[in-house]
Amino acid sequence: DTGVSQDPRHKITKRGQNVTFRCDPISEHNRLYWYRQTLGQGPEFLTYFQNEAQLEKSRLLSDRFSAERPKGSFSTLEIQRTEQGDSAMYLCASSLALVTVGGETQYFGPGTRLLVL
Amino acid sequence: SQELEQSPQSLIVQEGKNLTINCTSSKTLYGLYWYKQKYGEGLIFLMMLQKGGEEKSHEKITAKLDEKKQQSSLHITASQPSHAGIYLCGAPSGSSNTGKLIFGQGTTLQVKP
Repeated sequence: DTGVSQDPRHKITKRGQNVTFRCDPISEHNRLYWYRQTLGQGPEFLTYFQNEAQLEKSRLLSDRFSAERPKGSFSTLEIQRTEQGDSAMYLCASSLALVTVGGETQYFGPGTRLLVL
Repeated sequence: SQELEQSPQSLIVQEGKNLTINCTSSKTLYGLYWYKQKYGEGLIFLMMLQKGGEEKSHEKITAKLDEKKQQSSLHITASQPSHAGIYLCGAPSGSSNTGKLIFGQGTTLQVKP
């Protein structure tokens, strides 16, 4: 399977615990994105990497959230001191950046569904 | 900030019927993507449109971007149960090349056999 993979697919945790999610992008893709999706809504951008550099973070990404992409391959998203409001689907996507605006297609993984009790 | 509004929010059609989903942007679009999502799963890429007036088709699904590049439509001909799911439109946020997408709220489609 050469698509985007995410692990775990489901995570249940208690409020206050830390959780970490992993995303493995399509191998030749240089950009990696994290989105969050709540029920009945479209995905919301959190952050993205070009190779190993984190180039943009959304205001949605509080200081409890941190993302890394060491060596420009897989990425991890960590949430510290989880809150019930963090319950959502966390989606990862990857793409091959092009020069022209709007010319890249993001391919999404299956997502990690987080439930904070 | 740019917003995408989808209509309708949900749709129930009889198998074999045609249907259209609309996506309207508050600002000029610098590309428009259509994705399909099954409940609890990731997004599956359907089509990308870039030029005003552009139209693309794949199997029984046709997507169009209007000349003014502020509205797109997704049309399904002779719907089948396999078409059921959530359809999402997404667009690059602004004209910069960051690639990040904003999305509409989604349209949930049910197809009755």
